[in-house]
Amino acid sequence: DGGITQSPKYLFRKEGQNVTLSCEQNLNHDAMYWYRQDPGQGLRLIYYSQIVNDFQKGDIAEGYSVSREKKESFPLTVTSAQKNPTAFYLCASGDWKNTEAFFGQGTRLTVV
Amino acid sequence: KQEVTQIPAALSVPEGENLVLNCSFTDSAIYNLQWFRQDPGKGLTSLLLIQSSQREQTSGRLNASLDKSSGRSTLYIAASQPGDSATYLCAGNTGTASKLTFGTGTRLQVTL
Repeated sequence: DGGITQSPKYLFRKEGQNVTLSCEQNLNHDAMYWYRQDPGQGLRLIYYSQIVNDFQKGDIAEGYSVSREKKESFPLTVTSAQKNPTAFYLCASGDWKNTEAFFGQGTRLTVV
Repeated sequence: KQEVTQIPAALSVPEGENLVLNCSFTDSAIYNLQWFRQDPGKGLTSLLLIQSSQREQTSGRLNASLDKSSGRSTLYIAASQPGDSATYLCAGNTGTASKLTFGTGTRLQVTL
């Protein structure tokens, strides 16, 4: 099946710990994106990548890092510098020529 | 900076009613406008994409229109069903990066 796979579905982080969220796509899309969703707010863009080995900060990049070593993969690391990491994280992909964006099923991160 | 607003924030209708969800945006240079559905705790499912050269799109009981000059998009749902209950999000992008700016969504409940 073609699509976007995010793992894990649920993730728990201790204070001061870095955690990495996985996002894999087999849609052959050039562009990939990470969004954060908080209750009562719209999705906010964390990072995006339009091509392998290149990525740009979105609106709320502080405390996060990404890599894009392969076209299919765009992992997001939530570092200890992110002071309020509890949220629902969504990964998306799309063709850079502005066609339809597709989303994964999300990872819910909770700080314990 | 593009801002997207969705009204109403919540809506409850009896089964069978036709309904309209509204989305407004501040930058008329919007390129694509996409409507999504989100079920609780899940990712986003793309419903309709209106590309820059189009004014509306239809899929089954759904019809979405885009009026760039007035900064508005509407999602029309015909003959609503309980299975339509979900949060509906609109998102638009400007430029070529396909970065989407999201509204905060309309939470729809269709009652029996």
